[in-house]
Order: sequence, then structure tokens, then C-alpha cells
Amino acid sequence: KQEVTQIPAALSVPEGENLVLNCSFTDSAIYNLQWFRQDPGKGLTSLLLIQSSQREQTSGRLNASLDKSSGRSTLYIAASQPGDSATYLCAVKGNTGFQKLVFGTGTRLLVSP
Amino acid sequence: ETGVTQSPTHLIKTRGQQVTLRCSSQSGHNTVSWYQQALGQGPQFIFQYYREEENGRGNFPPRFSGLQFPNYSSELNVNALELDDSALYLCASSLPQSPDEQFFGPGTRLTVL
Repeated sequence: KQEVTQIPAALSVPEGENLVLNCSFTDSAIYNLQWFRQDPGKGLTSLLLIQSSQREQTSGRLNASLDKSSGRSTLYIAASQPGDSATYLCAVKGNTGFQKLVFGTGTRLLVSP
Repeated sequence: ETGVTQSPTHLIKTRGQQVTLRCSSQSGHNTVSWYQQALGQGPQFIFQYYREEENGRGNFPPRFSGLQFPNYSSELNVNALELDDSALYLCASSLPQSPDEQFFGPGTRLTVL
């Protein structure tokens, strides 16, 4: 059974800092991994998707890496801004053929001005 | 904006009642998944529908059921509500040509008293 863990559970940083969020998963037989953002009480917004054959993806100030063999992914946020404050969720999709995502419990990020 | 809408936004029910939650996807999104997100947790996969048939299910009892309609709308029905059913319920849909790109709705917050 796939389990996804995210560390830290919460993070508070001043504006401008670079930061790293961590995600680990127990079963390396994944199809892809995604990072999502969730604002309080809202739905999910996909940030980055990494296929199992890829090592990293970048979008603006965000960079996500994937090390499938060790069951780890990191989300790097450069020059953090108050608008980055949200919960960040990591999710993996297995090779089952349907769209089930297994999520971690998230990292709650607060960026203060 | 993902183009996926859910109704109602909030709902309060009492234990033992039944509830129907609705999701409206974009045209052409023939796959829809439902997730349950308890407070402080990551979303958990309930089931997936493809072309109006359930084709994948998570670890949820049969009192959780669904329907998908030809007009790209879908329903999640929960019978015999329990206190632990209190959660944010999210639906996500995708196009057949890009199944990895799932669009999440804003969710329905269900409170069971």
C-alpha cells in the first residue's frame, strides 16, 4: 500500500527566503508525481507534474525534483512571497491504469512580509 | 478557475441522513474522480467514473456511491451519514487525451452533527 509523507508539516519563513518542501513515498512503482497548492477551504491547483521517467520540472520560481529509486521528491520555492502562503500537497499516481492519486498530508507554508 | 464546479458549497446534515453532492465538469471530461479530505489531512480517493461507469474504488464502504451523466456532471451519494464523514469533498475531472491533467473543483464542505 502506497504511503506518502511530507515534511515539515508546517513552515514559517520571512519573505524572500528560498525554501524546500519534502515528500517521500513508500512504493517506487509510480507513474507520476504531482505537487498541488491548496488555499484554505479551497480546491487544489496543480503546480508541477513529473513523469516517472523525468528527474525534475520547473515553472517560474518553482522547481520539483524526483528520485524514484529512493522514493523522494522535493519542491524548491525561490524568493518566497506572502502570496505563496498555502498548503502544498504532494501526490503520486500508481501504475493501476486509473487516475487514483495518493496524497500526503501537506506542508502548511506561511510567508510573512 | 478550473472550469469544474461543485454544489452546494457547504452542507450540514445529521447522523443517519443521506446526502447528494454534485460536480459539473467541462465538456469532454469523461473521467471524474471523487476525494474526501478530512481536516488537516490530504485528500483520499473514493472512486472514479469513466463513461458513466465506476472503474476504480478506494477503501470506502458501499454507502458511498456515485453517478456520472452524459452531460459531464456527476454525483456523490452518501447514505447513513456518520460523524466521521464530515470533510471537504472534492471532485476532479480530466480529458481522455490528457488523463494526467486533473482539474479539481472547489469542494463541498460537509458537516455531520
